Amino acid sequence: AQSVAQPEDQVNVAEGNPLTVKCTYSVSGNPYLFWYVQYPNRGLQFLLKYITGDNLVKGSYGFEAEFNKSQTSFHLKKPSALVSDSALYFCAVRNAGNMLTFGGGTRLMVKP
Amino acid sequence: ETGVTQSPTHLIKTRGQQVTLRCSSQSGHNTVSWYQQALGQGPQFIFQYYREEENGRGNFPPRFSGLQFPNYSSELNVNALELDDSALYLCASSFVGAMNTEAFFGQGTRLTVV
Repeated sequence: AQSVAQPEDQVNVAEGNPLTVKCTYSVSGNPYLFWYVQYPNRGLQFLLKYITGDNLVKGSYGFEAEFNKSQTSFHLKKPSALVSDSALYFCAVRNAGNMLTFGGGTRLMVKP
Repeated sequence: ETGVTQSPTHLIKTRGQQVTLRCSSQSGHNTVSWYQQALGQGPQFIFQYYREEENGRGNFPPRFSGLQFPNYSSELNVNALELDDSALYLCASSFVGAMNTEAFFGQGTRLTVV
């Protein structure tokens, strides 16, 4: 069985500072990893994915994620946070059957 | 904005009733999945449809059922509603083939069971 853990319920960061949202995973076989963002009363928006290749993946809105196989982690990062980045962030892993398993989510609060 | 649309956006039902939620997939996608997101939690996989057949199911009882139509639109049906069925229901479409695309989600249907 596959699983995803997001150890922080909330991350607080000041605008302009770098941000990191943590994610660790457990899968058998090669991991297919995703980050989604959810704004209030909205569905999930795709940010980025890791399938294979470079460990640093670049995505939408200036976000990037670093895949670390030895630590089974896929942390989301952004060099300079914006107030508009405040939202709920979900890490997910996909199995061979195309099923996504999500973490519990991390609320990002960016303060001016 | 994705090309995935869901209806209705909000719904209130009474315990024991039945409900049907609808989803229109993004053009070019052949697979639709449904997820349940309870308040304060991550989405949980309900089931997936490919070529009009269910080809994957999460830990949900049989009173959760679905359909996928030839135009790849989909329905989620829930019978004998329970209070714990109150949640945001998300539809996701993707293309499954030689190269699988990421899943694109609709805005969700907020179901409240009273």
